[in-house]
Amino acid sequence: DAKTTQPTSMDCAEGRAANLPCNHSTISGNEYVYWYRQIHSQGPQYIIHGLKNNETNEMASLIITEDRKSSTLILPHATLRDTAVYYCIVRARNSGGSNYKLTFGKGTLLTVNP
Amino acid sequence: EAGVAQSPRYKIIEKRQSVAFWCNPISGHATLYWYQQILGQGPKLLIQFQNNGVVDDSQLPKDRFSAERLKGVDSTLKIQPAKLEDSAVYLCASSLVRDTDTQYFGPGTRLTVL
Repeated sequence: DAKTTQPTSMDCAEGRAANLPCNHSTISGNEYVYWYRQIHSQGPQYIIHGLKNNETNEMASLIITEDRKSSTLILPHATLRDTAVYYCIVRARNSGGSNYKLTFGKGTLLTVNP
Repeated sequence: EAGVAQSPRYKIIEKRQSVAFWCNPISGHATLYWYQQILGQGPKLLIQFQNNGVVDDSQLPKDRFSAERLKGVDSTLKIQPAKLEDSAVYLCASSLVRDTDTQYFGPGTRLTVL
């Protein structure tokens, strides 16, 4: 399974863009990059996912490098409510070889400051 | 659309006692997941159901943990007997299809084993 590396924590000023990096140098060609976040005392929340091309939705943008070995999640205008742990996940097959599962690391704690 | 429901939200038991958690997934979601999240770590998949069949239980400690999903809707996760190291948040998630779809998480049940 491809593994990911994320910084343990980051800070961002309210109203500014938050750029969260993720390294996944062993990603294989058919594996997607997913981003979830977890606000304190809540379950994880899906943000966005991508394969090769950059993606954007109402929550965030995902920039994947051409070699797919790293990606960046961008929150364009961070608010205090965006303070959370952000997980970068490469979706992998389970041991049975026929299904996909999400393997969470420790993620990045993003703190948005007023 | 109602989200994933879990109960109870909190549970405190003594070691060697038994405990059960309940999950009601989003209506129409065929796939259901149970995760364990120990403090400071990301969620870890325990078991995955497709309708009422088990797809992946490779990380479920089967000597003490059991789960069922009767009729392919609600699910129950049981621990018997509980150990101190079982203290964690137990998260339930569901998705529309198994391989490609977004997982939606419930709020979790926080278990404390004394």
